[in-house]
Amino acid sequence: KAGVTQTPRYLIKTRGQQVTLSCSPISGHRSVSWYQQTPGQGLQFLFEYFSETQRNKGNFPGRFSGRQFSNSRSEMNVSTLELGDSALYLCASSSQPGQSTDTQYFGPGTRLTVL
Amino acid sequence: AQSVAQPEDQVKVAEGNPLTVKCTYSVSGNPYLFWYVQYPNRGLQFLLKYITGDNLVKGSYGFEAEFNKSQTSFHLKKPSALVSDSALYFCAVRDHTGGGNKLTFGTGTQLKVEL
Repeated sequence: KAGVTQTPRYLIKTRGQQVTLSCSPISGHRSVSWYQQTPGQGLQFLFEYFSETQRNKGNFPGRFSGRQFSNSRSEMNVSTLELGDSALYLCASSSQPGQSTDTQYFGPGTRLTVL
Repeated sequence: AQSVAQPEDQVKVAEGNPLTVKCTYSVSGNPYLFWYVQYPNRGLQFLLKYITGDNLVKGSYGFEAEFNKSQTSFHLKKPSALVSDSALYFCAVRDHTGGGNKLTFGTGTQLKVEL
């Protein structure tokens, strides 16, 4: 099975712009979660989607949003970019969210640099 | 709130020696604990998880972890370290309240295996 794929892998934007990141989960996985990784804050949960519905949201401003499509692919959007949004954005998918045996598998990430 | 702590920023060990990467947790209810590894410019790779049952959990690449309820610890171990094990290791706990799937990560431990 192919793993979680994320596009693009690298992105450079300037302050004030907006950006859209894409994530394709492992085939058959219906849950997609997004995380932000920075040297200062570490790994932080952004949001989780299941069956096109946002089930959980982390403590991030409204500039961060996401959605999930009927094929389980997910996108996240960051509007009005700030320098502090520079980070590695990781997507994870799982097949049985909420089940004790569930495991999240991560993609390679999208490295966003805001200038 | 659920949390994990990794008290060591860096661990150094000689190749062939046993390694331990420490993790302690704080949760309400049953803990669902995970170890992930991250190589440079890569996403997170799942190593192993503890849900219930045996306190010694075996995972990928020869890694294992020991769950200790009385000490609220979940240390990652390997009997014989390899140079290729050098990477960043994260302990995580899943918040499964309300059927959610959010992972809360520790700050990470950089493992360096030297010849």
